[in-house]
Amino acid sequence: QKEVEQDPGPLSVPEGAIVSLNCTYSNSAFQYFMWYRQYSRKGPELLMYTYSSGNKEDGRFTAQVDKSSKYISLFIRDSQPSDSATYLCAMRPNNAGNMLTFGGGTRLMVKP
Amino acid sequence: EAGVTQFPSHSVIEKGQTVTLRCDPISGHDNLYWYRRVMGKEIKFLLHFVKESKQDESGMPNNRFLAERTGGTYSTLKVQPAELEDSGVYFCASSPLEGYGYTFGSGTRLTVV
Repeated sequence: QKEVEQDPGPLSVPEGAIVSLNCTYSNSAFQYFMWYRQYSRKGPELLMYTYSSGNKEDGRFTAQVDKSSKYISLFIRDSQPSDSATYLCAMRPNNAGNMLTFGGGTRLMVKP
Repeated sequence: EAGVTQFPSHSVIEKGQTVTLRCDPISGHDNLYWYRRVMGKEIKFLLHFVKESKQDESGMPNNRFLAERTGGTYSTLKVQPAELEDSGVYFCASSPLEGYGYTFGSGTRLTVV
């Protein structure tokens, strides 16, 4: 079993829709949770960062962490065609240096 | 501010040959990481430098892989001899000593034929 599970998609939505992206994980030691966006032929770009449980909002993006369920989410409001990319969740424990464990990524397509 | 630079962007080599990938981190970033994504799999950690010292190399697959970081600046990752299963995208990332999110380069796409 993978430590971090993420539906690969593709997820296709119309422009303006609310998008929900999710990851589940098995390692209860994970404390830091991140979402990266990756465009084709580019490196991952950090979107959101959350420590422990709770919500964090940044513009059209909201990250949620539910440690009791080992489940994290990224919501994108008013989705735009420019949001079309692969979204990767990543996480790490508190005491494992900075090594990240990634999900496989969800490919999102926002259609005009 | 210049980002993390990796080259070459793409390399095609024959099995048994040697390839060296290079990463130039953001100036002043003491942390430097190498990750790899092979076809159909998730991005996996290879190793972590703090300045010129290897902090964690637990993800290095075998002794055919050798990473160095000269003077705490740029880093190289050498694969010798390359095998077919080494094909994938190799990402480098860097971050300040005190920081949580790091900046990735665009990656080197390695194809071993």
